[in-house]
Amino acid sequence: GNSVTQMEGPVTLSEEAFLTINCTYTATGYPSLFWYVQYPGEGLQLLLKATKADDKGSNKGFEATYRKETTSFHLEKGSVQVSDSAVYFCALSDRDSWGKLQFGAGTQVVVTP
Amino acid sequence: EADIYQTPRYLVIGTGKKITLECSQTMGHDKMYWYQQDPGMELHLIHYSYGVNSTEKGDLSSESTVSRIRTEHFPLTLESARPSHTSQYLCASRGTAYEQYFGPGTRLTVT
Repeated sequence: GNSVTQMEGPVTLSEEAFLTINCTYTATGYPSLFWYVQYPGEGLQLLLKATKADDKGSNKGFEATYRKETTSFHLEKGSVQVSDSAVYFCALSDRDSWGKLQFGAGTQVVVTP
Repeated sequence: EADIYQTPRYLVIGTGKKITLECSQTMGHDKMYWYQQDPGMELHLIHYSYGVNSTEKGDLSSESTVSRIRTEHFPLTLESARPSHTSQYLCASRGTAYEQYFGPGTRLTVT
């Protein structure tokens, strides 16, 4: 079956540091890949997505590239802010008719001033 | 940006009460989902629907039930709440590129 593995947190960074959160997946076929962000007390927000190999999703300074050869979708941001403190989830959908999402366990990111 | 709403945002009730968590979306999406999120952050799919009068149980067994009488509305009901039901419940609907849009969640506490 499908699975998503992402690095454990918490990840603690200083403001303006470089952020990487690793995500690898196992899936049959050609899934769509997503990163979601969850701020305290809120629901999940779609951060970025990629639907095919070599696609790069980007939003709010975050980027992730769909790497089929390494089955990875690592999230990166060049200069984090305190406001980026949140939990980040990697997810995939294998694009069948149900479109169910398989989530990773989530990575908490803490950015300090 | 999708518009999906959940009410109430917070609910504290006693054991044995019947509750309904509301979820509505205004995008006309056919597919909708309910997730339960435990304190360790992990998300578990408990129900989904691919259209009116269609509902299925998800990957995690749940004592809750759902209904889908209108496209925009996907309520979740607990007939008799127990402390083990204390959790955050998230509703979502699916867009055209397999992405899901989430509501703000309902944080349920059963005492």
